[in-house]
Amino acid sequence: QPVLTQPPSVSAAPRQKVTISCSGSSSNIANNFVSWYQQLPGTAPKLLIYDNNKRPSGIPDRFSGSKSGTSATLGITGLQTGDEADYYCGTWDSSLSAYVFGTGTKVTVL
Amino acid sequence: QLQLQESGPRLVKPSETLSLTCSVSGGSISSTSYFWAWIRQPPGKGLEWIGSVYYRGNTYYNPSLKSRVTISADTSKNHFSLELYSVAAADTAVYYCAQEGYSQGRNFAFWGQGTLVTVSS
Repeated sequence: QPVLTQPPSVSAAPRQKVTISCSGSSSNIANNFVSWYQQLPGTAPKLLIYDNNKRPSGIPDRFSGSKSGTSATLGITGLQTGDEADYYCGTWDSSLSAYVFGTGTKVTVL
Repeated sequence: QLQLQESGPRLVKPSETLSLTCSVSGGSISSTSYFWAWIRQPPGKGLEWIGSVYYRGNTYYNPSLKSRVTISADTSKNHFSLELYSVAAADTAVYYCAQEGYSQGRNFAFWGQGTLVTVSS
């Protein structure tokens, strides 16, 4: 049973917006900070968002993060073909004493 | 710019030990601000955190792997290592090393390119 659940896939046309949800529980998302990672095909993951809503240097403001209760959301606006990738949420789980990743969401640009 | 590079055997036999090293350049693993982590990804599947080490040797592991894992740091060589014992086919994965930061929450800002390790006889 996955600890953090994401939709398997989302899609939208270029220049549109997508949101990706990450559903967890009180032992992880609700009481810990969430990060988001982008994994382009055949490459290592890249940090997109940390501490729920902060962007590392070099990450465009088209990417945003938010958290409410036991869920977190990644938003991507102005969708580009280069955004086609797998996206993972991640956070600490206090019950498991482990860092856990979400199940991953594939973003397709139509 | 910090760079991480995994190295080690790409093929390991069942029941043997998987050993990988992550060489760090452009920064020191002796930094007090970071842990150093191993993360893996079976082909076509999601990410799994294996464990992390602090330069002083403090470690913490994923409980699901804890009985089979050792992660260590060598500050003189500026690298850290992973040993996974008694491997099986299910341990076949791309293994990544990463720098683990902890501003308010934990995060992995820098990653190696990853190395595919296959467990097979």
